[in-house]
Amino acid sequence: DGGITQSPKYLFRKEGQNVTLSCEQNLNHDAMYWYRQDPGQGLRLIYYSQIVNDFQKGDIAEGYSVSREKKESFPLTVTSAQKNPTAFYLCASRPGLAGARGTDTQYFGPGTRLTVL
Amino acid sequence: GNSVTQMEGPVTLSEEAFLTINCTYTATGYPSLFWYVQYPGEGLQLLLKATKADDKGSNKGFEATYRKETTSFHLEKGSVQVSDSAVYFCALSRNYGGSQGNLIFGKGTKLSVKP
Repeated sequence: DGGITQSPKYLFRKEGQNVTLSCEQNLNHDAMYWYRQDPGQGLRLIYYSQIVNDFQKGDIAEGYSVSREKKESFPLTVTSAQKNPTAFYLCASRPGLAGARGTDTQYFGPGTRLTVL
Repeated sequence: GNSVTQMEGPVTLSEEAFLTINCTYTATGYPSLFWYVQYPGEGLQLLLKATKADDKGSNKGFEATYRKETTSFHLEKGSVQVSDSAVYFCALSRNYGGSQGNLIFGKGTKLSVKP
């Protein structure tokens, strides 16, 4: 089955620790995204990548880092510099090149809930 | 800049009631518009979309029409079911510059349907 997988589903970390969230897609999509979801605030964009070996900061990139070494993988590292990392993290992907009609639908993974203890 | 405003919830309805969730947008150019649904503890699923003015998106009994004159994309369903209980997000796609294809989301509207 084609889709987007995120692991783990639940993640606990101690303050001061870095942690990496996994996102893999087998849809052959070009673009991938990371969002953070907090209660009552909708989704906020952390980082995005429109092509392998390239990525851009989103609206709330501080305290996060990413890499895009393979088309199917876009891991997110939450660093100790992120002041309030407890949240639900969602990964998404989109087919085709940016701006092309019919390719602007994003497809989401099941999410990872990160809790800082 | 681009933005999406949707009605705040929670919205509580009885089964078989009519549903409307309002969504208005501000955008440069001609964005695509989307409704996504999120069930508890899950990711977002695309519910429907429209790519140009006067288009109507529809799926599972839900409908929304892209109204450029009122910059709106209201979600409607004629008869809701308990299984429709979820959070609904309105979104638009940026269609210019280096962030083409990025989505801007509203804050979400939680719907609860009682039997």
